[in-house]
Amino acid sequence: QITLKESGPTLVQPTQTLTLTCTISGFSLSAGGVAVGWIRQPPGKALEWLALIYWDDDDRYSPSLKSRLTITKDTSKNQVVLTVTNMDPVDTATYYCAHRLHPGPFMYWGQGALVTVSS
Amino acid sequence: DIVMTQSPDSLAVSLGERATISCKSSQSVFLRSNNKNYLAWYQQKPGQPPKLLISWASTRESGVPDRFSGSGSGTDFTLTISSLQAEDVAVYYCHQYYTLFTFGPGTKVDIK
Repeated sequence: QITLKESGPTLVQPTQTLTLTCTISGFSLSAGGVAVGWIRQPPGKALEWLALIYWDDDDRYSPSLKSRLTITKDTSKNQVVLTVTNMDPVDTATYYCAHRLHPGPFMYWGQGALVTVSS
Repeated sequence: DIVMTQSPDSLAVSLGERATISCKSSQSVFLRSNNKNYLAWYQQKPGQPPKLLISWASTRESGVPDRFSGSGSGTDFTLTISSLQAEDVAVYYCHQYYTLFTFGPGTKVDIK
């Protein structure tokens, strides 16, 4: 059974760096074709893809946010980490991590982590 | 970037009636080499993550009721709920995974 769970701070101050961790089970981050992505959703708004990391450590970023994002993985810990620098109140959102088997869509999703940016 | 648009923004349908959602992409998401459209549909209920309903434009995922169907190719796609049930009240998103990843703005489906 594939599961993903997001963890991290619920409140971040403006200009701070957000670090979110996705802990996975039921699959290996090094298995061929596997990728884990991060997608966010501001309250009441649509989904926005942020970043993706592949089994071979190749990565992709949203062009509009690329300069602020870093995605990494630790296969031994079964974790994928997303960092977002220079947080702003507009970054307030539920952040999801999701499993993808290349070249398909995101199939399995975590429950999401709500992050509020406020002083 | 491939931009996804959906219409309508919301619709209300009587129980048992058909609901139809349109999705358009700013460029084709069809790959000729494998004859596939890189287009998926998700259902999202309040407080829940999105649930994958349809991949490759028309392939229903395991366990998804057959009242849900997807069609279209290239840049124009449709999600149809043939007989709306109360549990289908949700927001529906289309999603392209042809070039990077983008989602449509969503269509809210309610009961009339």
